Amino acid sequence: DQQVKQNSPSLSVQEGRISILNCDYTNSMFDYFLWYKKYPAEGPTFLISISSIKDKNEDGRFTVFLNKSAKHLSLHIVPSQPGDSAVYFCAASGYGNQFYFGTGTSLTVIP
Amino acid sequence: KAGVTQTPRYLIKTRGQQVTLSCSPISGHRSVSWYQQTPGQGLQFLFEYFSETQRNKGNFPGRFSGRQFSNSRSEMNVSTLELGDSALYLCASSPHGGDRLNYGYTFGSGTRLTVV
Repeated sequence: DQQVKQNSPSLSVQEGRISILNCDYTNSMFDYFLWYKKYPAEGPTFLISISSIKDKNEDGRFTVFLNKSAKHLSLHIVPSQPGDSAVYFCAASGYGNQFYFGTGTSLTVIP
Repeated sequence: KAGVTQTPRYLIKTRGQQVTLSCSPISGHRSVSWYQQTPGQGLQFLFEYFSETQRNKGNFPGRFSGRQFSNSRSEMNVSTLELGDSALYLCASSPHGGDRLNYGYTFGSGTRLTVV
């Protein structure tokens, strides 16, 4: 049973525009969320995180929003750049050190 | 400093065989986790080791096992391989066992296992 879901397998965005990647979770015990970025033939790399005590965390062009009541988080990339083209995974964690990952969204930024 | 190293990068095995994958975490990292990535399934958690002890285990059959050595290096073993075991196996390390807030994990590049 997938506790973390990314319902959009792919997304295409024009360079310079905003990319919005969405993630939903089902377990209300999750209190820490991360986004990872993965290029082909490489392992995922950490991008940005947010804990449940916040509803927004910003790091440069990347902002993560958390809506606890809706059990939904989103990653905004503004402005999008061709180098952002990758697969993005969201992950969630509750008590303990286990992270649950979504299935990923493949982002293509068109020059 | 060196990242998480996984060997081999690619592996082809026949159904019924067994395979051992290796992971060397970042120096000083004591927690090692293993994930399986398949198309459409995302990253599925296999197990986590900390100080040579398995602390968490995902929902995989007993054919999947692992261990961690005193130097924190970890191995994952899959016995009686099935075609469905074809996947990218990722290893990830973190510095402290309970410090999940420390940016989660650092991942290796993975081992691509193909079962034919």
